[in-house]
Amino acid sequence: AQRVTQPEKLLSVFKGAPVELKCNYSYSGSPELFWYVQYSRQRLQLLLRHISRESIKGFTADLNKGETSFHLKKPFAQEEDSAMYYCALMGSSNTGKLIFGQGTTLQVKP
Amino acid sequence: DVKVTQSSRYLVKRTGEKVFLECVQDMDHENMFWYRQDPGLGLRLIYFSYDVKMKEKGDIPEGYSVSREKKERFSLILESASTNQTSMYLCASSLYREKLFFGSGTQLSVL
Repeated sequence: AQRVTQPEKLLSVFKGAPVELKCNYSYSGSPELFWYVQYSRQRLQLLLRHISRESIKGFTADLNKGETSFHLKKPFAQEEDSAMYYCALMGSSNTGKLIFGQGTTLQVKP
Repeated sequence: DVKVTQSSRYLVKRTGEKVFLECVQDMDHENMFWYRQDPGLGLRLIYFSYDVKMKEKGDIPEGYSVSREKKERFSLILESASTNQTSMYLCASSLYREKLFFGSGTQLSVL
């Protein structure tokens, strides 16, 4: 079965501190992993996907197939990073269906 | 820029009513999705459609049905609304296996 687990409901850090949002997945094939973000009063939008290997807004994520993880990291958190973050998995079918995790609220305090 | 438009931002209905949630996208995407978003549960897929008149059940289809008569429009139907269907409903569209574009959501309250 496909499953995405984000163990932390809330992560609270101070501005300038490093951030790591955890994501673990369960999938028997070769998945594609994504991070989506929802800022206050905005639509859910793509932050990054593992195949592009880009760094967006200072965030990076590495797919670790051995640990089945795709943790999101940023070395220095900013207040504008406060948002809800969702990890998501796309399987190998052609439908583009995404399975999301439970979400983690990141709160960056001044 | 892709636009995914959901017809209502807020909706209040009574138990047992038939409810229609409408979603329109303007970028000729073949895939369209309906998710519900609940605190602590994340986004859960209700139904998706990969072509006109084609649909597949997601993880929580019970109590819901969908309709896709035209490529740009994907409707979610609650045949007989119940209080446990009170939730934020998100529509999304995508091209093949590309990123999803989301609507702004419909907050449905069933009383």
